[in-house]
Amino acid sequence: DVKVTQSSRYLVKRTGEKVFLECVQDMDHENMFWYRQDPGLGLRLIYFSYDVKMKEKGDIPEGYSVSREKKERFSLILESASTNQTSMYLCASSIWSYEQYFGPGTRLTVT
Amino acid sequence: AQKITQTQPGMFVQEKEAVTLDCTYDTSDPSYGLFWYKQPSSGEMIFLIYQGSYDQQNATEGRYSLNFQKARKSANLVISASQLGDSAMYFCAMSRIKAAGNKLTFGGGTRVLVKP
Repeated sequence: DVKVTQSSRYLVKRTGEKVFLECVQDMDHENMFWYRQDPGLGLRLIYFSYDVKMKEKGDIPEGYSVSREKKERFSLILESASTNQTSMYLCASSIWSYEQYFGPGTRLTVT
Repeated sequence: AQKITQTQPGMFVQEKEAVTLDCTYDTSDPSYGLFWYKQPSSGEMIFLIYQGSYDQQNATEGRYSLNFQKARKSANLVISASQLGDSAMYFCAMSRIKAAGNKLTFGGGTRVLVKP
């Protein structure tokens, strides 16, 4: 079975802090994704990566950056956390044109 | 740009009855895929079913079937014989096929509550 893990289930950070969210998949998938989920808005794509060191902006990249130095690991970085980044963050991975496998999510609260 | 619309924010269904979740989409791409995911209260996203834009037959997976009407741009999910464990959020999503990465565009979701 594909396994996607995220470093934390719950995280509380202060405004202005630098925040790292880590995602690891164990199935050698080319593609990895970061989404944020907000009530009524569904999931919105922040960034995705289709290969090591390759990244593309999604629909809402402002305030975020990403890093993919190894195929299995994809990190989401909030350079200076703000309260409007309080959300559920979901990581996913996939092979080409197939369904995405999701991690359990990280619920981030910025105070 | 792709867009997914789920017009039902929430619905109740009686156990053992069938339920239809609406999904309409908008895209200019000729090749695309349509997905349904389930998200229980625990938070994980569970893949349910997939329909390709060129598939001639509607997709089925156990109790799940996808009613694909291409001309109307709709991809409704039908859950037959509802069970209490079907209570969850359901998301419709679409992706472009043969594009780098298969990033998904999601609808806002429909919350289903199955009553005993």
